[in-house]
Amino acid sequence: QQQVKQSPQSLIVQKGGISIINCAYENTAFDYFPWYQQFPGKGPALLIAIRPDVSEKKEGRFTISFNKSAKQFSLHIMDSQPGDSATYFCAASNFNKFYFGSGTKLNVKP
Amino acid sequence: ETGVTQSPTHLIKTRGQQVTLRCSSQSGHNTVSWYQQALGQGPQFIFQYYREEENGRGNFPPRFSGLQFPNYSSELNVNALELDDSALYLCASSPGGVGTDTQYFGPGTRLTVL
Repeated sequence: QQQVKQSPQSLIVQKGGISIINCAYENTAFDYFPWYQQFPGKGPALLIAIRPDVSEKKEGRFTISFNKSAKQFSLHIMDSQPGDSATYFCAASNFNKFYFGSGTKLNVKP
Repeated sequence: ETGVTQSPTHLIKTRGQQVTLRCSSQSGHNTVSWYQQALGQGPQFIFQYYREEENGRGNFPPRFSGLQFPNYSSELNVNALELDDSALYLCASSPGGVGTDTQYFGPGTRLTVL
């Protein structure tokens, strides 16, 4: 049973556009929702994270939108750049046990 | 850089062998988790150690075992390797304690089982 479902599997965006990646979860006990960025051959790097007591968090060009009632959260990358091309994973956690989505491969075209 | 290091970077083993992977956490981080990431998939939780005790386990068989040491280092041991064990193995450390903390990942060890 997959705890966190992520979509789309892949995404192509033009430079300057907005990239949107969506995740859904079932376990209402999750209390921490991070997004990770992973480049080939590297470990995941924390991008931005949110806790369920807020509906939105923004850090630079990256924004998480969180809908607790729908059990969904999404990552928005504004002004997408070719350097953002990577695989993005959402995750959900409870007591430091993390469950990851299946990943979204983002390709930002110059 | 996250301050989390792993060794070796790459490893090739044959089916049935045993392997030990190593991780050095950030200083002061009491919690270390290990993940298996198959090609094209998200990391899958193997187990977690908090203050040298196992503190939760994912859906992995007993031939996956671990140790955590007082100097913030840890090991993942896999016995009787199978072809499906080929993957990137990641460790992640966090300060630990009550609640959920940010996890910081190492670069991973790429294990190939032939």
